[in-house]
Order: sequence, then C-alpha cells, then structure tokens
Amino acid sequence: QITLKESGPTLVKPTQTLTLTCTFSGFSLSTNGVGVGWIRQPPGKALEWLAVIYWNDDKRYSPSLKNRFIITMDTSKNQVVLTITNLGPVDTATYYCAHETTVTPRRFDYWGQGTLVTVSS
Amino acid sequence: DIQMTQSPSSLSASVGDGVTITCRASQSISDYVNWYQQKPGKAPRLLIYAASSLQSGVPSRFSGSGSGTDFTLTISSLQPEDFATYYCQQSHSTPRTFGQGTNVEIE
Repeated sequence: QITLKESGPTLVKPTQTLTLTCTFSGFSLSTNGVGVGWIRQPPGKALEWLAVIYWNDDKRYSPSLKNRFIITMDTSKNQVVLTITNLGPVDTATYYCAHETTVTPRRFDYWGQGTLVTVSS
Repeated sequence: DIQMTQSPSSLSASVGDGVTITCRASQSISDYVNWYQQKPGKAPRLLIYAASSLQSGVPSRFSGSGSGTDFTLTISSLQPEDFATYYCQQSHSTPRTFGQGTNVEIE
C-alpha cells in the first residue's frame, strides 16, 4: 500500500526559506522509473505542478518558479524534500506530494493529504 | 510549456444528468492526458489516465476520450458524490501542467 505524507511549518515569514518533507511508504525511490512530484494549490485556485524527482536523481522544475525551488531525495529515509527560497505571499498554498507511476503515460496515482503553508509577517 | 485549457470553468447539473468537460492542449500531446477529481479539503484523486483508461476503483460512469489536442471527460449519470472540481493534466512533457479546473455544482 502506497502512502505519502507532507510535513513542514504552517506559517512562515516573507523572504524566509521553506523546507517541506514528503515521507512515503509502499515503494522505493531506488526502483527504476519511480518519481515523486510536488504540486501546490493556492486557496480557491487551481493545481500548479512544481517539480518532480526520479529514481535516477533526474530533477525537473516548472520554469515559472524562477530558480527558487530545489527538490532532493533521501532514499534511505524514504523522503523527498522541497526547498523554497525567498518566500512571498503568492507562495501561500496547500502543498501536495504525489507518487508518479513508473510506466508511461505517467500520472500521479497516489497523493499525500497536503499541508497548508501560509506566508505572512 | 504546454497550456491546458478547460471548459466550462463551472457547470450546474442534477443527479442523473450526463456531463461533459473538455480540455484543449496548446500543442499535440497524443493521449498523454490524465483527469483528476478533487473535493473540498481533499487531495486530488486520479480518475482517468492516458486519455481513456479508467483508474482502478473508479466507477464506470466516468469515461475519457480524445487524442492530439482535444480531450473530454464524461460522467454518464451524475451521482451525489460526483459534485466536485475536475482537472485535466498533460503528461507529455515537463512541466506537467494542469487545466484551470471545472467545478461541477448541484443545480
């Protein structure tokens, strides 16, 4: 059974750096083809794809993020970490991590429950 | 980036109605489209992948079609639990963009 859970601070100040952790079980990021992605959703708005990391440490980012996002993995801990620098109010959102299938066409078939992050002074 | 444009942005329907939501990609993406359902306060749930394949456990009243740039999600007979927001997503390339969502409300 695949599960994922996001963790991190719920309130951060503008210009600070945010670190979100996705802890998962039921699969390994050492398995060929596996990916874990991050998606966010500002209150009342649509889903926004942010980044994905694959079993071979291949990393892809949304170009609109302007190099503020870094995704890393720790296979020994079954964790994927998303770091966001220079936070602003526009980063207020629920952040989800999700398992991306090993086979194509790829899709997010398992999601975490999400964690709401508010950026405010 | 590939843009995904959904229509309508919202619709009202009654239990038992058939509903169709469309999604248009800004370039041809073969059948690399997924559909998700999201209820308030919950994570999205995968319904359809590869444009027309039903995810395990999803009721057969949900179906998807399309190829190239135009795709549809159809709910054949709306049930009370189907009132939610629906998103398309392309998996042809990164960034794996989502549509802006379609809110299906009770009429």
